[in-house]
Order: sequence, then C-alpha cells, then structure tokens
Amino acid sequence: KQEVTQIPAALSVPEGENLVLNCSFTDSAIYNLQWFRQDPGKGLTSLLLIQSSQREQTSGRLNASLDKSSGRSTLYIAASQPGDSATYLCAVLNRDDKIIFGKGTRLHILP
Amino acid sequence: NAGVMQNPRHLVRRRGQEARLRCSPMKGHSHVYWYRQLPEEGLKFMVYLQKENIIDESGMPKERFSAEFPKEGPSILRIQQVVRGDSAAYFCASSPGGGVSYEQYFGPGTRLTVT
Repeated sequence: KQEVTQIPAALSVPEGENLVLNCSFTDSAIYNLQWFRQDPGKGLTSLLLIQSSQREQTSGRLNASLDKSSGRSTLYIAASQPGDSATYLCAVLNRDDKIIFGKGTRLHILP
Repeated sequence: NAGVMQNPRHLVRRRGQEARLRCSPMKGHSHVYWYRQLPEEGLKFMVYLQKENIIDESGMPKERFSAEFPKEGPSILRIQQVVRGDSAAYFCASSPGGGVSYEQYFGPGTRLTVT
C-alpha cells in the first residue's frame, strides 16, 4: 500500500532564504509525482509534475527532483518570499490511477 | 475555458441532514474523481466516475455516501444523515480520459461543516 510522507510538517524561514521540502513514498511503481500548493481555505494549485521517467522539473524559482528508486522527491524554493507561505502537498499517481497525497508541509516565510 | 467548478464552496448542515456537493468538470472532461480532506489529514481518494458509470468506489465509506455522474449535468456527491465526523473539505478533480496518461485538474473544494 502506497504511503506518502512529508517532512517537516511545518517550517518557518526568513525571507530570501532558499529552502527544501522533502517527500518520500513507499512504492516506487509510480506513474508520476506532483507538487501542489494549498492556501488556507482554498483549493489546490498544481506547481510541478514530474513523470516517472524524469529526474526533475523547474518552474521559475521552483525546482522539483525525483529519485524513484529511493522513493524520494524534493521541492526546492529559491529566494523565498512572504507570498510563498502556504501548505505544499506532494502527491504520487499510482499505476492504478489513484493519487496518494502526503499530509503536507506548512511553510511560513518570515518577512 | 473555465476550470473545475464546485458548489457550494461552503456548506453547513445539522447532524442528520443530507449534504449534496456538486462538481462540474472542465469542458471536454468525461472523468471525475472525488477526494476528502479531513482536518490535519492529507487528501484521500473516495470515488472515480465516468459519465453514467462508477469506475472505482474503493475509498467511499460503505454507508451514507453515494456519488453519481449523469449523462447531463454535474457530478454529485451525496452524504445522507451527516455526522460531525463528515466535516471536511471535499475536492473533485476531472480529466479528459481515464487512466494514468491524463492529468487530473482540481476544483476549489467544498467545505462541509456539520453542527
């Protein structure tokens, strides 16, 4: 049974710092991995999607990596800004077409 | 092209009432997925539907919950005789086809509060 774990559960960093969010999954037979952003009381915004054959994806200040064999992904945020404060969710798409989500990392950027 | 729409965005029900949550998929999408996010928990898969057909309901509670996606109109998630433990955010996602080749696009969610 696929399980997705995100560490840390919460993180506070000063504005301008680079930071890394971690995600691990127990079953490497995934189709893809996706990082989402969720603002309080809002829906999910897709940030980056990495296919199982890819190693990383980049969008602006965000870079996501995938190491399928070790069951790990990281989301790197460069030059953090207060507007980056949100909950970041990692999700894997299993080959049975189900998305399994982690519980998220609550990120707070201190101005 | 409007995204996935869900309504209502917020729903308050007393214990024992029925809750109906609606999801209108993106134009051209024929597959809908429902997820539930309990407080302090991750989103969990509930049910996957194609028009007029339930493909996978392995995540649905056995009682009081049902879902449909008719030929015309939105997908409906129905919760009968709601209890406090049903309070959660319910998200739907849609895709243009079935299977892992198609990305799921998420709606803004419906936040259900049971008093």
